[in-house]
Amino acid sequence: GAGVSQSPSNKVTEKGKDVELRCDPISGHTALYWYRQSLGQGLEFLIYFQGNSAPDKSGLPSDRFSAERTGGSVSTLTIQRTQQEDSAVYLCASSFTSGSVGEQFFGPGTRLTVL
Amino acid sequence: EDQVTQSPEALRLQEGESSSLNCSYTVSGLRGLFWYRQDPGKGPEFLFTLYSAGEEKEKERLKATLTKKESFLHITAPKPEDSATYLCAVRESLSSGSARQLTFGSGTQLTVLP
Repeated sequence: GAGVSQSPSNKVTEKGKDVELRCDPISGHTALYWYRQSLGQGLEFLIYFQGNSAPDKSGLPSDRFSAERTGGSVSTLTIQRTQQEDSAVYLCASSFTSGSVGEQFFGPGTRLTVL
Repeated sequence: EDQVTQSPEALRLQEGESSSLNCSYTVSGLRGLFWYRQDPGKGPEFLFTLYSAGEEKEKERLKATLTKKESFLHITAPKPEDSATYLCAVRESLSSGSARQLTFGSGTQLTVLP
């Protein structure tokens, strides 16, 4: 595809349920990032994958959050036992290399609503 | 303490009325300052990277500048299509020699009226 794609575009879930969010980065991009954007706020870094290296999980807010990247391409962000404060837009981005970390290409995001 | 602060939170301009957006930062070692544009319902779109004080970058009606404490995004003769939220982000050096991931400001919501 031409850009970063994310699915689903919207997700409504009940408190306590688990959710999985998917990100397809741009082909050939080795670096992949997940961010969270709450209403009226800036982007909050969650996790970063670079090639086959161990991911940088320093931004994950709790152990309910986890992410994996299979085959160096598609990534899934999983939130277990969702809480209302998890409601936000979850954005995925990719870049060609970690050296160009600022030049990230973002997907349209998944809007998560926890009731 | 916020590392990246953007002002104003919102700005309304008439078409053709030039202005500037501010991004002030407090990091011990700057490894880059980045400007992004975000339209409603979309992910941010990369605009500029600035690495050192005195550096300037231009793209169409936008010009980004950097000092040791802040960056400005100057908008010259804006058009309604420039309406968007403009986000600033910094990358900070860590004592280990590596760099922290991007820290974003809350953005400035720009509205340009025809």
